[in-house]
Formats: sequence, structure tokens, C-alpha cells
Amino acid sequence: DAMVIQNPRYQVTQFGKPVTLSCSQTLNHNVMYWYQQKSSQAPKLLFHYYDKDFNNEADTPDNFQSRRPNTSFCFLDIRSPGLGDAAMYLCATSRDKTGGNEQFFGPGTRLTVL
Amino acid sequence: AQSVTQLGSHVSVSEGALVLLRCNYSSSVPPYLFWYVQYPNQGLQLLLKYTSAATLVKGINGFEAEFKKSETSFHLTKPSAHMSDAAEYFCAVMDGGATNKLIFGTGTLLAVQP
Repeated sequence: DAMVIQNPRYQVTQFGKPVTLSCSQTLNHNVMYWYQQKSSQAPKLLFHYYDKDFNNEADTPDNFQSRRPNTSFCFLDIRSPGLGDAAMYLCATSRDKTGGNEQFFGPGTRLTVL
Repeated sequence: AQSVTQLGSHVSVSEGALVLLRCNYSSSVPPYLFWYVQYPNQGLQLLLKYTSAATLVKGINGFEAEFKKSETSFHLTKPSAHMSDAAEYFCAVMDGGATNKLIFGTGTLLAVQP
């Protein structure tokens, strides 16, 4: 089945220690999104790639970076995680950015910062 | 700016009872609206979407939603709740700008009592 895969499902890191979260997709979608979801809150978009074009949300901290080496993979890098970065990180894809294109979500990576 | 409001952060129903989860949207243009379900420590799964075709939208797992422009509402219903419906439900509107991102409501946690 075509899907969105996130690895690892659970990640523990130390305060200030860089961490990378991975997302891959077999849907061959053009757009890949990264959302941050803190406990009991709604998901909030951090950034997205439309093909190779990176688009950062205005309020995304500089501590968060992303890479998309090819269509299938997208990475979220947190350069110096703080305690406030503990959250579920959700990757999503959509075929295109035209109206109504639904987004398909991966299972998420739960990040714990010690 | 587009937004959605979900009334009731917690809803509890008995098994077999009607499920009604409320969502109101704010949009200056005809919106694209979505309902997603999230089980604990999982990603988001699309239940249904409204893209300006039929106003009554049928989704998976017996859920449906009706788009009412006059009330700016897109409430989610299911005639008979099942224990497996216990989860968090998010209403979302798609930002029709360059990002086409999803703007989520704050979520409604549905509990189903035996």
C-alpha cells in the first residue's frame, strides 16, 4: 500500500543535542509538510516542500531546518532541541497544492527532550 | 484569515448513541473543509472532506458531515457510536493561498461509554 512512513516512532534526545527525524513516502506526491503537535493541541505547520522548493512558515524558529534530497524523503533537523520542542512531529504529503488536495499523514514521531 | 472553531473539547456519548461534533469555519471564500481522526500516538486519518460538490459528505467508518453555508458550519455526525470511535477529532480548513496548508481546530476528544 502506498503510504507515508516516519522513523523513528519515538525519539529521545538530550537538551541541545541535534536530532533528525525522517519521513518517506511511496505516493510520489509533490508536496511534503512537517507539522508540530504539542500535547493536547492542534497540529501546527512548520514548513513544507513543493518539489525542491522550500517554504518556511513565518513563525517557525530557526532551530528547525528541513531537507528533501529526493521526491521520496524529507528530513526534519532540530539543531539544538529545547524542552519546549518536545512534541509529536507529523509528516504529511499531498499530490499538489491546488485547492482541495487532501493531505496524507504519517504515524508521527514523538520526540522527548531530557 | 481562515479559521475553524470546534465547540466542546470533550464529548462523551454512550455506545449506540448519536455522535455530533461541532465545527464552525471562518472564510472569505468557499472553503475546503476536512475532518481528521487521531488515535493515541498515531497520525491523522482523513474521515471526509468538503470540496464544494455535495453539501452532505459521507466519509469512512459511518461518519458524515453537512456543509451549511448559512450557518458557516461543518458538523460531524454518526448515527450510532461504537467503542472504537473513541479518539480525537480535528476539523480543518485549507488555506487557499500559496501554502495550501491545513489550519486545524483545537480538537474534540470523543469518549464512548459502554
